[in-house]
Amino acid sequence: GQNIDQPTEMTATEGAIVQINCTYQTSGFNGLFWYQQHAGEAPTFLSYNVLDGLEEKGRFSSFLSRSKGYSYLLLKELQMKDSASYLCHNAGNNRKLIWGLGTSLAVNP
Amino acid sequence: EPEVTQTPSHQVTQMGQEVILRCVPISNHLYFYWYRQILGQKVEFLVSFYNNEISEKSEIFDDQFSVERPDGSNFTLKIRSTKLEDSAMYFCASSDARGYYEQYFGPGTRLTVT
Repeated sequence: GQNIDQPTEMTATEGAIVQINCTYQTSGFNGLFWYQQHAGEAPTFLSYNVLDGLEEKGRFSSFLSRSKGYSYLLLKELQMKDSASYLCHNAGNNRKLIWGLGTSLAVNP
Repeated sequence: EPEVTQTPSHQVTQMGQEVILRCVPISNHLYFYWYRQILGQKVEFLVSFYNNEISEKSEIFDDQFSVERPDGSNFTLKIRSTKLEDSAMYFCASSDARGYYEQYFGPGTRLTVT
């Protein structure tokens, strides 16, 4: 079947680094996406990985291992505004765009 | 900066009624999507639309739902005979010619079925 697994909740401290993991099982692979969603708002795009390795984008980086069906989002120098849900999202062969439940990150001062 | 817009922001309807949710995607985008998110639950894909036809749809997108691009700018989701369980936030999104790449989401329409 097709599935996305992420931790439900994480807590971190302002200024710290946090890694949010995502494992996926899909029929085929057309990219692994990370989105950020603040409460009551729409998701916003953070990153896209289609090849193995690390993609760095400012304070946010995303890593992919296709052979392991695994990705992580790394957030550095955490700020209070980073408190949000982080959604892992995969496009499999059928392109039905499977989304995870999201990881709710709370950044504490 | 171009953005996806959705109207209305909140729609209240009675069970059994039809609703039309409206979206204006980013003007040069070619791929359009509808998602829903029941409060506290995950984002669920409903349908994708390209070249004036549905390209993919999920199991949720049954005969109760339909989409249309009636003109060059609007993209609508119609829900016939709404049910209580249709209460959710409905998001429209669009992406450019690269297809299933970065999707830009609208602010959503909160649908409440009473």
